[in-house]
Amino acid sequence: DQQVKQNSPSLSVQEGRISILNCDYTNSMFDYFLWYKKYPAEGPTFLISISSIKDKNEDGRFTVFLNKSAKHLSLHIVPSQPGDSAVYFCAASTANFGNEKLTFGTGTRLTIIP
Amino acid sequence: DAMVIQNPRYQVTQFGKPVTLSCSQTLNHNVMYWYQQKSSQAPKLLFHYYDKDFNNEADTPDNFQSRRPNTSFCFLDIRSPGLGDAAMYLCATSRVTSGGIHEQYFGPGTRLTVT
Repeated sequence: DQQVKQNSPSLSVQEGRISILNCDYTNSMFDYFLWYKKYPAEGPTFLISISSIKDKNEDGRFTVFLNKSAKHLSLHIVPSQPGDSAVYFCAASTANFGNEKLTFGTGTRLTIIP
Repeated sequence: DAMVIQNPRYQVTQFGKPVTLSCSQTLNHNVMYWYQQKSSQAPKLLFHYYDKDFNNEADTPDNFQSRRPNTSFCFLDIRSPGLGDAAMYLCATSRVTSGGIHEQYFGPGTRLTVT
């Protein structure tokens, strides 16, 4: 049972435009969400997170939006740059017992076209 | 720089020959994790240590074992690797933040090939 889903395996975006990566979840107990970025031959690196008490969190070019009623979150990157080409993983956690564990989605490969 | 280090980066082993992957951290985090990741799949948690407490995932095969001799080091032992165990193995660490959340920091991974 895939509790965190990233339905788009890949996405191509022109440099300078907005990249929007989507993530859906099924477990209503999740209350904290993270995005990780992964380059080939490297481990995932933490990018940005959001708590379920918020609906938006912004950090520079990266903004994460959370729609709890739809159990949906998205990562916006604007403007997109060639260095943003990577695989992006959405992950979720609870704030309760077992909060040290993350549930990951399968990732979306983002390619920025110069 | 504080980091999570995995050695080796690439490991080739023979079918059935025991292999050990290692992970060390300079972050002084109290939680350490081992994940298995296969191509185009989500990282799959095998087990984690919360301080000295070992937590095994229910679907982790007995073939996979782990040791954490101290805060800084954690090992993944695969007792009898099969062809299906070929994957990227990721080590991660975390500690709880002021918000009660664990942000995980990953090492670069060890790619295991089984021949």
